[in-house]
Amino acid sequence: NAGVTQTPKFRILKIGQSMTLQCAQDMNHNYMYWYRQDPGMGLKLIYYSVGAGITDKGEVPNGYNVSRSTTEDFPLRLELAAPSQTSVYFCASSYNEGGASGYTFGSGTRLTVV
Amino acid sequence: QKEVEQNSGPLSVPEGAIASLNCTYSDRGSQSFFWYRQYSGKSPELIMSIYSNGDKEDGRFTAQLNKASQYVSLLIRDSQPSDSATYLCAVNEAGNQFYFGTGTSLTVIP
Repeated sequence: NAGVTQTPKFRILKIGQSMTLQCAQDMNHNYMYWYRQDPGMGLKLIYYSVGAGITDKGEVPNGYNVSRSTTEDFPLRLELAAPSQTSVYFCASSYNEGGASGYTFGSGTRLTVV
Repeated sequence: QKEVEQNSGPLSVPEGAIASLNCTYSDRGSQSFFWYRQYSGKSPELIMSIYSNGDKEDGRFTAQLNKASQYVSLLIRDSQPSDSATYLCAVNEAGNQFYFGTGTSLTVIP
């Protein structure tokens, strides 16, 4: 049982480049989330999904896009990368609505935009 | 703007002592409360959840909730060096958005 798997673990992007952060879970969770964590700033919600085909914006969605074509996968797309997107990105999933049973987090993707 | 506030620390306690971590939140509609532990360079992992006023104990950990004061705390008894980590408080109103505090760094000194 792998839980939540994120790839890649590290990535360096140049300004203006694009990339997709992959997230997959094998727990059949309907609810999935993308967070970013900046030093000293806590976790901020970027996007979330309550099921396949349904996504919604979180607190800091600008510069990102998501899709949810299957229950298992929830990729995060960065278009036109900017230095402000340098951060650690965590994908999470939960069984209950609103994460009432808590989140299971992936191991994170450390992204640097130069 | 919903806010969850924690003292960033660092908080240092000697091995075997009780560590007390505190969190306040601004949204009176908040319904569920969580404590996560995050080791340096790792992802957060769930320690405790609490939904009702009062105390909830799980092994060496006790979560305390006071909704009237908008305050939630985590006590770690018999602190061990392996407890050294950053502790994140997370608050959820009805719905799908959690709000995380910035975390308190705890160091347990052998």
